[in-house]
Amino acid sequence: GNSVTQMEGPVTLSEEAFLTINCTYTATGYPSLFWYVQYPGEGLQLLLKATKADDKGSNKGFEATYRKETTSFHLEKGSVQVSDSAVYFCALGKAAGNKLTFGGGTRVLVKP
Amino acid sequence: NAGVTQTPKFRVLKTGQSMTLLCAQDMNHEYMYWYRQDPGMGLRLIHYSVGEGTTAKGEVPDGYNVSRLKKQNFLLGLESAAPSQTSVYFCASSYLAGALGQLREQFFGPGTRLTVL
Repeated sequence: GNSVTQMEGPVTLSEEAFLTINCTYTATGYPSLFWYVQYPGEGLQLLLKATKADDKGSNKGFEATYRKETTSFHLEKGSVQVSDSAVYFCALGKAAGNKLTFGGGTRVLVKP
Repeated sequence: NAGVTQTPKFRVLKTGQSMTLLCAQDMNHEYMYWYRQDPGMGLRLIHYSVGEGTTAKGEVPDGYNVSRLKKQNFLLGLESAAPSQTSVYFCASSYLAGALGQLREQFFGPGTRLTVL
């Protein structure tokens, strides 16, 4: 079956540090891949997505590249801010599937 | 567009009471979902629907029922609430697109915080 594995947190960083959150997946075919962000007390918001191999999704300074050869979709940001403190979820959606598979989430805490 | 809305935002129940959570979306999405999120944990799928009049079980369906009588609404019911159902409940909707019929992103509501005493 489908599965998504992402690094466990919490990840604690200083402001302006480089952030990487690893995400690898198991799925047949060509799934779509997503990163969601959840700020404290809120619902999940789509951060970025990629629908085919080698696509790069980007938003708010975050980037992730769909790597089919390594079945990965790692999230990166070059210089984090305190406002980036949140929980980040990686997810995949299979072609012709009817639900997304989510990773367990990674909590990120950025300190001033 | 309001997107996905959920009512109520907060609720406190006593053990054994019943309630219904309402989810509404105005994006004409076929797919709708109910998740629960417990402290420090990820999302767990309770039930979902792939169209009006259809429902299916997710990972943790016990103790919950759902109905999708209208395309824009997805109701989650607790017939006899238990303390183990204390959680934050999120509704989401989605759609298929592209030549391969890929499931696109899910749009989430703001959540309902439920406490069962």
